[in-house]
Amino acid sequence: EAGVVQSPRYKIIEKKQPVAFWCNPISGHNTLYWYLQNLGQGPELLIRYENEEAVDDSQLPKDRFSAERLKGVDSTLKIQPAELGDSAVYLCASSFRVTGELFFGEGSRLTVL
Amino acid sequence: GNSVTQMEGPVTLSEEAFLTINCTYTATGYPSLFWYVQYPGEGLQLLLKATKADDKGSNKGFEATYRKETTSFHLEKGSVQVSDSAVYFCALSEPGGGADGLTFGKGTHLIIQP
Repeated sequence: EAGVVQSPRYKIIEKKQPVAFWCNPISGHNTLYWYLQNLGQGPELLIRYENEEAVDDSQLPKDRFSAERLKGVDSTLKIQPAELGDSAVYLCASSFRVTGELFFGEGSRLTVL
Repeated sequence: GNSVTQMEGPVTLSEEAFLTINCTYTATGYPSLFWYVQYPGEGLQLLLKATKADDKGSNKGFEATYRKETTSFHLEKGSVQVSDSAVYFCALSEPGGGADGLTFGKGTHLIIQP
């Protein structure tokens, strides 16, 4: 069974440019998460989806970050415009609501110059 | 709010040594507790979990016991191997298993030398 797939794995952009990350969760997982992981820190939740509904986006900086999960499957996280402080790893995870175990993708590492 | 505190790394041990990585938490009620591991170049993987007080989670020779009285969930292994080198994250969730999202510690980098 395929795991959580994220792309791109690495992205280097200049500040003020836009960037987007894509996530394909494990088939059948109705809950999808985006986490931010800064260097030397643990992951921090940005947004959680139940199917296509964002049920917790309290930690998402909405002035520059946006996310969507059309049709309740794939998800995209966008940053526009990017700032130097956005350099980090963006992790996607999914879970099947009943078990609650989170499965993580390998992450997308963003470097903003 | 909820928080998790882990011992600082890196932790460097020789092969076959005994491992303890300390983890304490702050939460209301009875959270579920987890250890995740991140091997180089890979995503985080669930290592073990415990959902109520005095439960012991175990996997791949690792163990952790949910101690409500000391709000701790220390990770232990009797004899580590080079292949155990990774970053270990302690995490908690609201009661129910984690589907509402996890609060992570900062991670502990473990280095096992042959």
